[in-house]
Amino acid sequence: NAGVTQTPKFQVLKTGQSMTLQCAQDMNHNSMYWYRQDPGMGLRLIYYSASEGTTDKGEVPNGYNVSRLNKREFSLRLESAAPSQTSVYFCAIKITGVGYGYTFGSGTRLTVV
Amino acid sequence: GNSVTQMEGPVTLSEEAFLTINCTYTATGYPSLFWYVQYPGEGLQLLLKATKADDKGSNKGFEATYRKETTSFHLEKGSVQVSDSAVYFCALIPRSGGGADGLTFGKGTHLIIQP
Repeated sequence: NAGVTQTPKFQVLKTGQSMTLQCAQDMNHNSMYWYRQDPGMGLRLIYYSASEGTTDKGEVPNGYNVSRLNKREFSLRLESAAPSQTSVYFCAIKITGVGYGYTFGSGTRLTVV
Repeated sequence: GNSVTQMEGPVTLSEEAFLTINCTYTATGYPSLFWYVQYPGEGLQLLLKATKADDKGSNKGFEATYRKETTSFHLEKGSVQVSDSAVYFCALIPRSGGGADGLTFGKGTHLIIQP
């Protein structure tokens, strides 16, 4: 999944702990997204950012915050992790023009115990 | 709102069998349609797409045709291989935006190909 890098790949948290998932692109595109993937639920949009300095809620934003400090990076923060946030998290960017589509990172598998 | 419905599976086939995974959608206007594939332990990869009615997307022997009249985008392959075992996601994005930006996904179809 060249172009979108997510860190970390795996993380275990205790209930109530906080952490930030990082996403960085090297493709200079405006729109970036955070999804979560749960068994039987497909992927659901948490937050997105249409451009540097702007963010908007998606389908399931509760319990999360995001930051788009520059064009390249879009981070997702869990302030007080809950077991319901155990999931696989994917960052994505939108490719416009030729090659229109969405490119995904390789994911962060988060377990909250 | 926008939604995508696809058969959830698991779908189990023998090698060289014909594959169809059904996908239907609800959206305002005429969305762009996508199929993504997720191999075990990996992220999502774009398999194919279609951006207007009657377009046919194709890649790696897979095909899907954008059918406006039936609001469908069924995935087909004439002869599957063990290496095609994966989870397949149908997705859409509305042409005009229409609310939150970003893809709307179906729940995914787990495909298992037996040798």
